Amino acid sequence: GAGVSQSPRYKVAKRGQDVALRCDPISGHVSLFWYQQALGQGPEFLTYFQNEAQLDKSGLPSDRFFAERPEGSVSTLKIQRTQQEDSAVYLCASSSTGKTEAFFGQGTRLTVV
Amino acid sequence: AQKITQTQPGMFVQEKEAVTLDCTYDTSDPSYGLFWYKQPSSGEMIFLIYQGSYDQQNATEGRYSLNFQKARKSANLVISASQLGDSAMYFCAMRGYSSASKIIFGSGTRLSIRP
Repeated sequence: GAGVSQSPRYKVAKRGQDVALRCDPISGHVSLFWYQQALGQGPEFLTYFQNEAQLDKSGLPSDRFFAERPEGSVSTLKIQRTQQEDSAVYLCASSSTGKTEAFFGQGTRLTVV
Repeated sequence: AQKITQTQPGMFVQEKEAVTLDCTYDTSDPSYGLFWYKQPSSGEMIFLIYQGSYDQQNATEGRYSLNFQKARKSANLVISASQLGDSAMYFCAMRGYSSASKIIFGSGTRLSIRP
């Protein structure tokens, strides 16, 4: 079947704009993760869903970041009033259970100008 | 708290040689999984290999093997007979199997294969 799909692939936002990043996980995958990856660094955890429940949002850097997965499938990461430091690649991953490997989408590269 | 440490920011290896990428970890979870991912310059994150903390044998997947030493809390990736296409960033990751099982990543090792 299809892998994890993220859209858009690239997003340029003016500072202060709101953005919404979409993640379509592998069908049937229970767990969904969001990560932020700066250039040359490892992915930094943002938030984790199990079905529709957001079990961990400890990595969200500020209250401008918000994530949801209302029906336990597609997830949206929203960033309000974007700042230059929000520029990064945002990766979404899903896994079938709580103990298996996660499969990643191709990411959304966000540039805030 | 959980932590993954990769101490080799970059490595150069001759084609066809074997290479070992180091990874140490720290966790208070009694049960956990360890993973390695490859990230080529194109940016996608490719899953390579998994090791469970209670697995008796070291994991192997084709040319990849994981040298798991639980007492030392190390999970090194060994790539045999390296190929030019192995040039990429490699990330070690861990998932603790407690209540909220997020996956955390190390800072990565950039592997460059010389022809």
